[in-house]
Amino acid sequence: QLQLQESGPGLVKPSETLSLTCTVSGASISSGGYYWGWIRQPPGKGLEWIGSVFYTGNTYYNPSLRGRVTTSVDTSKNQVSLTLTSMTAADTAVYYCARHARLTTNWFDPWGQGTLVTVSS
Amino acid sequence: QSVLTQPPSVSAAPGQKVTISCSGSSSNIGNNYVAWYQQVPGTAPKLLIYDNNKRASGIPDRFSGSKSGTSATLGITGLQTGDEANYYCGTWDSGLRAGQVFGGGSKLTVL
Repeated sequence: QLQLQESGPGLVKPSETLSLTCTVSGASISSGGYYWGWIRQPPGKGLEWIGSVFYTGNTYYNPSLRGRVTTSVDTSKNQVSLTLTSMTAADTAVYYCARHARLTTNWFDPWGQGTLVTVSS
Repeated sequence: QSVLTQPPSVSAAPGQKVTISCSGSSSNIGNNYVAWYQQVPGTAPKLLIYDNNKRASGIPDRFSGSKSGTSATLGITGLQTGDEANYYCGTWDSGLRAGQVFGGGSKLTVL
């Protein structure tokens, strides 16, 4: 059974860079054909797509975050990574990783349990 | 505000039927597939419906999806208390600022 698990710091200072990892188990990223997406949810608010990375390493980002976000895959570790620079309080959210089969189709399944990131000094 | 518009809240009694609407435009719902997610507070979203009307694995046929023009609808019949959750629609927006977009979410209360 495919499972995703996010990990990273729960607290980040303003202006610093956030680095999160999504560890995939139950399937190999390198087996191909899937995108791996990052979605976040500020406390009490809705979902926002951050970006996605194909198993080949091709990346696609939310235009509103482009320039601050980087995603990558490490097939040797079966992990997907997210980096978000210049963090502010507005970036406080639960960050999820999820798999999707087509870039231009909203079909995220499954999702990781999410990790709460708080931006505060 | 969200690209896709959903009612903030809906409610119905146990055993009844409820529908949740999701309104968009030609650059998103009008020309792309729609998905629906259920999120129980404190947990991750779960895929219910994809490609407008296909149920995800393990989802009972009480849940259904449809699309017409630039709007989509999630239907839930035989409401159960366990259906209380937030529901989100999502699709791809192929406009100038292309990307995945979601609705603001609808809180379902089973009275």
